[in-house]
Amino acid sequence: NAGVTQTPKFRILKIGQSMTLQCTQDMNHNYMYWYRQDPGMGLKLIYYSVGAGITDKGEVPNGYNVSRSTTEDFPLRLELAAPSQTSVYFCASIPRQGTETQYFGPGTRLLVL
Amino acid sequence: RKEVEQDPGPFNVPEGATVAFNCTYSNSASQSFFWYRQDCRKEPKLLMSVYSSGNEDGRFTAQLNRASQYISLLIRDSKLSDSATYLCVVNPRFSGGYNKLIFGAGTRLAVHP
Repeated sequence: NAGVTQTPKFRILKIGQSMTLQCTQDMNHNYMYWYRQDPGMGLKLIYYSVGAGITDKGEVPNGYNVSRSTTEDFPLRLELAAPSQTSVYFCASIPRQGTETQYFGPGTRLLVL
Repeated sequence: RKEVEQDPGPFNVPEGATVAFNCTYSNSASQSFFWYRQDCRKEPKLLMSVYSSGNEDGRFTAQLNRASQYISLLIRDSKLSDSATYLCVVNPRFSGGYNKLIFGAGTRLAVHP
């Protein structure tokens, strides 16, 4: 299993551009999460999904959108990039309700200029 | 008050030293607790769960004090490879089992020869 994979690894965006951060897991996990981590800060939950077709907001959803059309994929969309969205984005998954360990992808570093 | 607070460090210790990290959480209804390790520019990985009775894994010991809302991590006989940021993580409640974790900002440990 490749686990949780994320693309791209690094991206520079101009203000106002849009992009999609990709996240895929091959472990057949139902629950998936998107976090952002600013320098010197903890991870903050952006959106999460408990299964295909079901998504919900986390702590910091403004400026982002998600979709979950398949169990494997959970893309994160930035529509109008702003400098405040400069961060490292991590995707994570767990197999089922009550599982404690979250499996993280390697992250996407995003710089908005 | 932050939901999960940690001393940011850095803790600079020599090899072989014993070092302790502390963490406090604000939500008294929190259900489960963890320590994650994050290496520089990498994703977080679960180090250990923290149980009310305390638990030990080799050189690592975790303690939970629910009355004081306090979690600790003790590392004995520090190795160079222990250099990393240690994240205190709390699951505020089993909200349908969605595991919406709350991350502390992390404590940085640097072990030197």
